[in-house]
Amino acid sequence: AQSVAQPEDQVNVAEGNPLTVKCTYSVSGNPYLFWYVQYPNRGLQFLLKYITGDNLVKGSYGFEAEFNKSQTSFHLKKPSALVSDSALYFCAVRDISGSARQLTFGSGTQLTVLP
Amino acid sequence: NAGVTQTPKFQVLKTGQSMTLQCAQDMNHEYMSWYRQDPGMGLRLIHYSVGAGITDQGEVPNGYNVSRSTTEDFPLRLLSAAPSQTSVYFCASSYWGEAYEQYFGPGTRLTVT
Repeated sequence: AQSVAQPEDQVNVAEGNPLTVKCTYSVSGNPYLFWYVQYPNRGLQFLLKYITGDNLVKGSYGFEAEFNKSQTSFHLKKPSALVSDSALYFCAVRDISGSARQLTFGSGTQLTVLP
Repeated sequence: NAGVTQTPKFQVLKTGQSMTLQCAQDMNHEYMSWYRQDPGMGLRLIHYSVGAGITDQGEVPNGYNVSRSTTEDFPLRLLSAAPSQTSVYFCASSYWGEAYEQYFGPGTRLTVT
């Protein structure tokens, strides 16, 4: 079975500082990994994904994520946080070797960027 | 493109009532799905469809029915509402294939009293 862990319910960071939102996954085969962002009272928006190739993936709004197969991690990063980045962030995984092939989401991390 | 639309935005039901949550997309996506979002639990898949006439169960299907008569529409039916179904419901769509990201609707906040 596939699973995703987001070990931090809440991350606080000062505006202008780098931010990291952590994600680890478990799959039996090879993963496709996704990050989504949810602003208050809105649906989820796609940020970026890792499918294959370069382990460093760049996405929307200056976000990037690094796929680390040995640590089974896919942490979301941004060099300089903005107050407008404050939102709920979800990591998701799909095991492309599995039978279900559905997305499994983590529990979410609330990011607050302090002015 | 309107993207993925959902109606209603808010709904209050009494225990035992039934209702249908509507979802439509105008991107010609084959894959559509319904999730529920509960605090601290992320999104859990209820039902999904890979094309018109084809549906399947997700992680938490009990108490819900779906059908897919057209590519565009994927309604979710609550057969007999229970307080445990109080949640925020999201519909999503994508091209069919593991590499494709999903596009989400704005959600329906359902309260069952």
